[in-house]
Amino acid sequence: GAGVSQSPSNKVTEKGKDVELRCDPISGHTALYWYRQSLGQGLEFLIYFQGNSAPDKSGLPSDRFSAERTGGSVSTLTIQRTQQEDSAVYLCASSSGGSNTGELFFGEGSRLTVL
Amino acid sequence: KQEVTQIPAALSVPEGENLVLNCSFTDSAIYNLQWFRQDPGKGLTSLLLIQSSQREQTSGRLNASLDKSSGRSTLYIAASQPGDSATYLCAVRLISNYQLIWGAGTKLIIKP
Repeated sequence: GAGVSQSPSNKVTEKGKDVELRCDPISGHTALYWYRQSLGQGLEFLIYFQGNSAPDKSGLPSDRFSAERTGGSVSTLTIQRTQQEDSAVYLCASSSGGSNTGELFFGEGSRLTVL
Repeated sequence: KQEVTQIPAALSVPEGENLVLNCSFTDSAIYNLQWFRQDPGKGLTSLLLIQSSQREQTSGRLNASLDKSSGRSTLYIAASQPGDSATYLCAVRLISNYQLIWGAGTKLIIKP
């Protein structure tokens, strides 16, 4: 696609429910990041995928969070047993190539509200 | 440990003025530096990417410079417009790995 696509754009869920957030990166981009941004705060790194390498999960805040990337393209971030503190905007970004020179492009984000 | 600082945290100027946003970093071992803007409730939009070997990049009314030796980058906005109002973020990509280190951003308001 032309840009990074994320869905859903908005998700309201009840505490304790599981949610899945989807990211479709720019075609050909091998690097994919997930970030979280709470209201009025900066970006919090969650997880990084690069090609077929093992992902860097060091930013995931708890074992309720997991992510996968199938076929080196679409990624899904799953939050189990959601808590109110999980409410935030979840941003996905992708960049090209295996080098560190690629420009990073973001999606519009998925706004999660946990009631 | 790489730290990125953006000053000022907020800036309000009248329309039409030229302005400079600052980004400083503590470790010059970077691959590149990227400037973004973020509108309220939106994702980040890439403005300019400067590779470590470059001194500046230009796009329209925007000009970004990079001085690795002093650990500084500036984003120059010419003839500011109300539509430029947004939060501007800079991020450096480390040489050692793929991680980006983010500044906290400068919230810019352009008054009509």
